[in-house]
Amino acid sequence: KAGVTQTPRYLIKTRGQQVTLSCSPISGHRSVSWYQQTPGQGLQFLFEYFSETQRNKGNFPGRFSGRQFSNSRSEMNVSTLELGDSALYLCASSLSAGQQETQYFGPGTRLLVL
Amino acid sequence: AQTVTQSQPEMSVQEAETVTLSCTYDTSESDYYLFWYKQPPSRQMILVIRQEAYKQQNATENRFSVNFQKAAKSFSLKISDSQLGDAAMYFCAYRTGGADGLTFGKGTHLIIQP
Repeated sequence: KAGVTQTPRYLIKTRGQQVTLSCSPISGHRSVSWYQQTPGQGLQFLFEYFSETQRNKGNFPGRFSGRQFSNSRSEMNVSTLELGDSALYLCASSLSAGQQETQYFGPGTRLLVL
Repeated sequence: AQTVTQSQPEMSVQEAETVTLSCTYDTSESDYYLFWYKQPPSRQMILVIRQEAYKQQNATENRFSVNFQKAAKSFSLKISDSQLGDAAMYFCAYRTGGADGLTFGKGTHLIIQP
């Protein structure tokens, strides 16, 4: 079974632009979560989607948004990019939502904001 | 605030020996799940082991085992017969009911000396 895939793998943007990252979960998985990883803040939870609905959201500004499609694929969008948004963005999928579900991660998208 | 503390930023062990990585967490919840993830240089997060807080028995996966002390809120990872492929960043994480995704520690960089 194929793992979680994320596209693109690398991205360079300039301040003020917006960016859209994509995540395809493991086949059969219906929940997708997003995390930001930076050297300073470590791994931080962005949001979780299940059945096209956002279940939880981390402590990030409204510039960070996401959505999930009927096939469980998810996208996250960052508008008005700032230098501090440079990070590795990780997507994780699980069979269902809930604390008991193990999350399986994709390879990440490395975003550099200049 | 819920936190996870990994007190060892870096650990070094000789190949074939045993190493233990420490993790403590702080939560007021009684029902939660604990995880160890491995992140090699490729940056792909890989699940190593998981532990349900309601289970007294420590989880084991081949050479990996945990020492779960619920009262002490401690969740250490023991790697037996260390191999060169075990070299990576190791992250301890937990999740509670209705939680904002996984809460991660800062990670421990594990070096395997040949």
